Amino acid sequence: DPKIIQKPKYLVAVTGSEKILICEQYLGHNAMYWYRQSAKKPLEFMFSYSYQKLMDNQTASSRFQPQSSKKNHLDLQITALKPDDSATYFCASSQDRVYAEQFFGPGTRLTVL
Amino acid sequence: AQKVTQTQTSISVMEKTTVTMDCVYETQDSSYFLFWYKQTASGEIVFLIRQDSYKKENATVGHYSLNFQKPKSSIGLIITATQIEDSAVYFCAMREASSGSWQLIFGSGTQLTVMP
Repeated sequence: DPKIIQKPKYLVAVTGSEKILICEQYLGHNAMYWYRQSAKKPLEFMFSYSYQKLMDNQTASSRFQPQSSKKNHLDLQITALKPDDSATYFCASSQDRVYAEQFFGPGTRLTVL
Repeated sequence: AQKVTQTQTSISVMEKTTVTMDCVYETQDSSYFLFWYKQTASGEIVFLIRQDSYKKENATVGHYSLNFQKPKSSIGLIITATQIEDSAVYFCAMREASSGSWQLIFGSGTQLTVMP
C-alpha cells in the first residue's frame, strides 16, 4: 500500500485558474513538506510543516498556500496559475527530527496552458 | 549560503561493475546531514542512504556506500555490483542542523545508465 498519496497524478489547468494538490501520508510522521521539480531547476523546497504548523516557507509568491486540515494531510492551493507553474509537485514527510530523512510521494504533474 | 553541486550530468557503466557519483557541498554550519536519493524513470523519488557530518565512518546500506571526505566537502555515492534496475537519476541533498531551516537542498542530479 502506498505510504504517501498524492492526488491527482496529472493535472491540466488554464492560466488564471486555481487548483488544489492533495497529499496524505500514512507513515505516522509529524513533519510534511512540498517540493517542486521543473525542467529548468532541480528539486526545489517550498514549505515545511510540523504538527500542522508552518515551519519554513521558501516560496516567494503568495499564490502558493499550503493547507493542513489533519496532521497527516498537507494540501497545496495554487491560485492565479501561470504557465511557469508547470512542474511536478512532490509532497514529502519525515519524523520530526532535524536529522530525519524525508520520504517522497509519487508527485502531481501540473501543466498550465 | 548552502549549495550542493553534482558535476557529472550522466554516467554509463556495464552491469555488475562499480560506479562512483560525485557530490560537493557548501555550508557554514558545523553540523549537517547529507542524503542520497534516486529518481526512477517513473518519477518516483527513493531515499537511499545518509551521512551525518559528525560521523567519521562512511555509511553503507546494501550495495550503496558513501565516501565522505569532510575536508573536501565531498560526499560520493558508490554503487557496487550494479544492476540494470539501478538506472536512474541520483540526487545528493543536504540539510543544515542549526540554520532553523527544514529544507533539503538538492543537487542537479546524475543520470546513471547501467548497460547489460
